[in-house]
Amino acid sequence: ETGVTQTPRHLVMGMTNKKSLKCEQHLGHNAMYWYKQSAKKPLELMFVYNFKEQTENNSVPSRFSPECPNSSHLFLHLHTLQPEDSALYLCASSQDRDYSNQPQHFGDGTRLSIL
Amino acid sequence: DQQVKQNSPSLSVQEGRISILNCDYTNSMFDYFLWYKKYPAEGPTFLISISSIKDKNEDGRFTVFLNKSAKHLSLHIVPSQPGDSAVYFCAASGVDSNYQLIWGAGTKLIIKP
Repeated sequence: ETGVTQTPRHLVMGMTNKKSLKCEQHLGHNAMYWYKQSAKKPLELMFVYNFKEQTENNSVPSRFSPECPNSSHLFLHLHTLQPEDSALYLCASSQDRDYSNQPQHFGDGTRLSIL
Repeated sequence: DQQVKQNSPSLSVQEGRISILNCDYTNSMFDYFLWYKKYPAEGPTFLISISSIKDKNEDGRFTVFLNKSAKHLSLHIVPSQPGDSAVYFCAASGVDSNYQLIWGAGTKLIIKP
């Protein structure tokens, strides 16, 4: 059983739709992450939040908008996406962002398909 | 330019034998290395890690070896079991990467009965 829950598990949307991905962690962690995983490629870090503050934005297009209302919840708001945005979106959490030796715990991801 | 490379997209091993998964990196400032395992339709799960001050870390059937001079790490699984069939990712981090995990593209391990 994962301590990080993502909803929905699957999402199909048109390019003009607006939708949101949700992530919730029950591990008492202070850092949360959004990753994108495209087929046969390394995980790409999109955003990092530490103690609810955004600390990293890895040149992600503005059509992806994160929100972190508290240390347990993370959202990714989607608007006017492109077909190349179809991918698996993974949420992760860790105790703190600033230590290399803290493993990240992942949710099972949202499989996003853009029509 | 990929800083962490897993050059074998897939590996097939007989059940009971040793599985060896390899990972190369280019940034000598990485100070922590991790292996994750991923089943289909699930997120990656942390498996084992190693600090750059060590050259070996063992946990049950899993051992990670680090060769800093060659900038190479490997994961050994012995004996291999059918449940080990999954995609294995190596990742590295350090102050130089601002503690971000830099990931390899993964190796799909298939354990044959």
